[in-house]
Amino acid sequence: GNSVTQMEGPVTLSEEAFLTINCTYTATGYPSLFWYVQYPGEGLQLLLKATKADDKGSNKGFEATYRKETTSFHLEKGSVQVSDSAVYFCALGNQAGTALIFGKGTTLSVSS
Amino acid sequence: DVKVTQSSRYLVKRTGEKVFLECVQDMDHENMFWYRQDPGLGLRLIYFSYDVKMKEKGDIPEGYSVSREKKERFSLILESASTNQTSMYLCASTLAGADTEAFFGQGTRLTVV
Repeated sequence: GNSVTQMEGPVTLSEEAFLTINCTYTATGYPSLFWYVQYPGEGLQLLLKATKADDKGSNKGFEATYRKETTSFHLEKGSVQVSDSAVYFCALGNQAGTALIFGKGTTLSVSS
Repeated sequence: DVKVTQSSRYLVKRTGEKVFLECVQDMDHENMFWYRQDPGLGLRLIYFSYDVKMKEKGDIPEGYSVSREKKERFSLILESASTNQTSMYLCASTLAGADTEAFFGQGTRLTVV
C-alpha cells in the first residue's frame, strides 16, 4: 500500500545552517505531496505542497520538489532560524479517497 | 480565515470516565478525521467521516467511537477512558477526496489519571 518514510530526528542545527529533511514515498498513481509543520503546543499547519511530478512547493524559505524518478519530496531551507524549531511531517495524498498518509515526523531544533 | 476548532486544549479525566472531544469546522468540508499523536509514533488515524452520519474506522479505533450528526461537527468519544489513551488528539477536515490539503485544529492534550 501507499506509505511515507521520513528521516528520523531529532535534527539539531545552528542558526543560518542549511536544512534537509528527507522524505520518500511509495504510491500508486500520482498523488499530491505535502509538508506540514507543528510548532510547540499547536496543531499541524500546511507548509507547502506539490500536486504533480517536478512541481516545486515553497513557503517561508522552505522548498521541496516532487521527484517521481526517485519517489522523493525532500524539504530544504538555505538558512534556518530559531523560530523554525518545530516538528515537520511529510504527507501523501490518497487518491482512494481516505485520509492523508503521514510520516512519523522529524523534530528540528535550531539554536542561536 | 478557515478554522477547525477543538473544544478543549487540555483535559484531565479519571480512568473509566466517558470522555467527549468535540471538533467544529467552518469550511463546509465533507471529510473529517480524528488522529492521536504520540512520541515516536507520529499521527495515527482513529476514525474518519466522509458525510453526515457516516464513519469509517482508521488504524486504531479500539476504545473509541465517533458521532457526526451535523456536517460541521465531529465528536470523538472515549467510552471508558484508560491511562493508555493519554495522548494528543488532533481533528482535521478536508474537501471530498483525500488528495487535498487537510486543515487541523489546535489539538487536545488529554491526560487520563
